[in-house]
Amino acid sequence: AQSVTQPDIHITVSEGASLELRCNYSYGATPYLFWYVQSPGQGLQLLLKYFSGDTLVQGIKGFEAEFKRSQSSFNLRKPSVHWSDAAEYFCAVGTGFQKLVFGTGTRLLVSP
Amino acid sequence: DTGVSQDPRHKITKRGQNVTFRCDPISEHNRLYWYRQTLGQGPEFLTYFQNEAQLEKSRLLSDRFSAERPKGSFSTLEIQRTEQGDSAMYLCASSNRTRLRETQYFGPGTRLLVL
Repeated sequence: AQSVTQPDIHITVSEGASLELRCNYSYGATPYLFWYVQSPGQGLQLLLKYFSGDTLVQGIKGFEAEFKRSQSSFNLRKPSVHWSDAAEYFCAVGTGFQKLVFGTGTRLLVSP
Repeated sequence: DTGVSQDPRHKITKRGQNVTFRCDPISEHNRLYWYRQTLGQGPEFLTYFQNEAQLEKSRLLSDRFSAERPKGSFSTLEIQRTEQGDSAMYLCASSNRTRLRETQYFGPGTRLLVL
């Protein structure tokens, strides 16, 4: 069965510093991978997705993620964090036409 | 494109009462998903529809839960005889199955508190 691990429950980053959120997945076939962001009390907003092709994908709000098959990872990065990026970030793996399986999320705190 | 909408946004109920939530997907989307998210966790799949057909249900969906999508448009999720353990955020998502690589778009969620 597919699964997603986000090893960091909380991360604190200074405003303007770079960010990397880790995501490891387990899935037998070629995964479809997603990053979503959730502000408190809100639904999930899609940041970016990977289906195939270029392993470095660009998303909204200046985020990017790199798919590394050999490491079963899909880490999210941003070169310079803004205070408005404070939220919870979820990595998910999809089977292509059915449910998404989510990690437990990483809460990002941005310090001034 | 008005996005996925859910109603109500918040619901407080007493244990044993029935509640019903509604989800309106993006208009051209033929797939609709329900997820449940408890505090400190990621969303967990409950069920999904393709048009009006309910194609898969999670084992999380006990007999007290029922979902419908009668005309292939909006969907309802009903919980009968609510329990305190049902307190969670219920998220709806929709996607377009005709696209090979489908992406699910989420609504704002309905937060349920069972007292």
